[in-house]
Amino acid sequence: EAGVAQSPRYKIIEKRQSVAFWCNPISGHATLYWYQQILGQGPKLLIQFQNNGVVDDSQLPKDRFSAERLKGVDSTLKIQPAKLEDSAVYLCASSEGNSPLHFGNGTRLTVT
Amino acid sequence: GQQVMQIPQYQHVQEGEDFTTYCNSSTTLSNIQWYKQRPGGHPVFLIQLVKSGEVKKQKRLTFQFGEAKKNSSLHITATQTTDVGTYFCSGGSNYKLTFGKGTLLTVNP
Repeated sequence: EAGVAQSPRYKIIEKRQSVAFWCNPISGHATLYWYQQILGQGPKLLIQFQNNGVVDDSQLPKDRFSAERLKGVDSTLKIQPAKLEDSAVYLCASSEGNSPLHFGNGTRLTVT
Repeated sequence: GQQVMQIPQYQHVQEGEDFTTYCNSSTTLSNIQWYKQRPGGHPVFLIQLVKSGEVKKQKRLTFQFGEAKKNSSLHITATQTTDVGTYFCSGGSNYKLTFGKGTLLTVNP
């Protein structure tokens, strides 16, 4: 089966600019997650979708981050405006029910 | 909120030595999952434990889930250079998974 697809792989922007990441989960996976992984740390959940509804966005900095999953399939995560501390790898993952997470390759964001 | 702690943060071993990483949760977990992340890669699922006291083996890897379902361990027997990476535990309750900070394992050949 095809894995979780993410794009772009790398992105370099200046602070205060905006950026968007895209994720296409494994076909049939109802649950989609966006994680932020800062170098040397574990993945931190930003938002979790069940189909096109939000299950958990308690750690999403809503003043600058937004995410959507229209039609319950692919998803976009946006940051506007970006800050230096947003430099991290943004991982998308999907799962079916309580099954394990399947991660994409991630997008490495550098904010200068 | 739920917190998952992992120790040690780093472990360097000689090839052939054993390795253990421990995971502790502040709350009772419905399940625990272990992932491995190679340098520059993404987390890859290793195993899921659900039952209290459960022990599972995958070749040289042994996973345990504590009786109280608040802690877990991963033990690697006779490490190899291919074992290099960061091992994360992820504790689940109410469909929410919280990752620990991971244990970075390096192996000297």
